[in-house]
Amino acid sequence: GQQVMQIPQYQHVQEGEDFTTYCNSSTTLSNIQWYKQRPGGHPVFLIQLVKSGEVKKQKRLTFQFGEAKKNSSLHITATQTTDVGTYFCAGYSGAGSYQLTFGKGTKLSVIP
Amino acid sequence: EAQVTQNPRYLITVTGKKLTVTCSQNMNHEYMSWYRQDPGLGLRQIYYSMNVEVTDKGDVPEGYKVSRKEKRNFPLILESPSPNQTSLYFCASSLSGTWGEKLFFGSGTQLSVL
Repeated sequence: GQQVMQIPQYQHVQEGEDFTTYCNSSTTLSNIQWYKQRPGGHPVFLIQLVKSGEVKKQKRLTFQFGEAKKNSSLHITATQTTDVGTYFCAGYSGAGSYQLTFGKGTKLSVIP
Repeated sequence: EAQVTQNPRYLITVTGKKLTVTCSQNMNHEYMSWYRQDPGLGLRQIYYSMNVEVTDKGDVPEGYKVSRKEKRNFPLILESPSPNQTSLYFCASSLSGTWGEKLFFGSGTQLSVL
């Protein structure tokens, strides 16, 4: 079945440093979604990418979808303590697919 | 306020004692799903439901049951819990479950089976 791999599993950064998490799928994705889970909280939807090569920005967060629609990345510029949490990517393998497969997540710690 | 409500938030039980975790959404969503979250394993889907009376297995359905008698409710049933079902459980919903729709998650249920 479809697998979505996410690296790194953990990342510790100094406040102000940049952070990137990468997501790779074993199959072509119709779209990819990103979620953030704060410590003790539940996953919350951040964004969705649909088009090949798509780049979207949300303030200090930049999301990219690969040309082949098999990989994606989330980059945070100048991290802040509010960025702490686990970031998950999740993808659908085809239009009409009801199976959203999640990566294992990247847990971000920000050292003040 | 649009939300997915899970109860209880925390649950400690013993092996073999049947339990139910409730999930309710007030957004008139057709699609509902259960996930379990374990350290290092991420979110794994247990069961999902496309609509009332329509349910299907996810990736890790063994030891769990679900029912969807009403659109808003999707309870998760553990008829004979075992310690390996100790986990953090999330219920989620979306409008129709097709690609392109975001999931709304409940606050989670931390289950410990002794």
